[in-house]
Amino acid sequence: QVQLVESGGGVVQPGGSLRLSCTVSGFTFTNLGMHWVRQAPGKGLEWVSSIQHDGLYQWYSKSVKGRFTISRAVSRNTLYLDMNTLRPEDTAVYYCAKDREYNRRIFDYWGQGTLVTVSP
Amino acid sequence: DIQMTQSPSSLSASVGDKVTITCRASQSISTSLNWYQQKPGKAPKLLIYGASSLQSGVPSRFSGSGSGTDFTLTVSSLQPEDFASYYCQQSYTTPITFGQGTRLDIK
Repeated sequence: QVQLVESGGGVVQPGGSLRLSCTVSGFTFTNLGMHWVRQAPGKGLEWVSSIQHDGLYQWYSKSVKGRFTISRAVSRNTLYLDMNTLRPEDTAVYYCAKDREYNRRIFDYWGQGTLVTVSP
Repeated sequence: DIQMTQSPSSLSASVGDKVTITCRASQSISTSLNWYQQKPGKAPKLLIYGASSLQSGVPSRFSGSGSGTDFTLTVSSLQPEDFASYYCQQSYTTPITFGQGTRLDIK
């Protein structure tokens, strides 16, 4: 069955860095785009970043562009989000999600989420 | 950026009620509209994609309609497990955007 498992969250000081991982199984990783979506405490869903099925193209929200980098390691079936210059407003649960269909940006399976807290 | 506006922001209803949630896009998105359900402490779950297609495993009491800028999610007869938050999302273009959410509570 399809599984997505995030890891790497934690507490970090403002200006710090963190790498999130999302290890997947149960589907062909190279066939589908992958995404990161976050949710600040008590708030709604916010799209963060996407990567095309082949890794050739990446997209970012304005709020993270230039600070976050999305990537994928095919041999490890793992999606990454490298987060630099973190700000308190980046505090959120970060979810990875997979495309339902080839690059359609429909999120049919999600991980359980990993909490990132940016605090002095 | 395409803005997605849901209404209402919150809603109280009873088991067995029919409820409708609306989502409006700031520009036409054809039928590139998806609906998610989220329960507290859990990841969102895809309910409807392409405005009106039911995701596999989702009960048929959920339905979606609309195209262009105006969309609706309808639950025909609320069950206890349906009390949750609901989000619309446009997949027409990046940046991908979500509505602010609708919280559905038990009356």
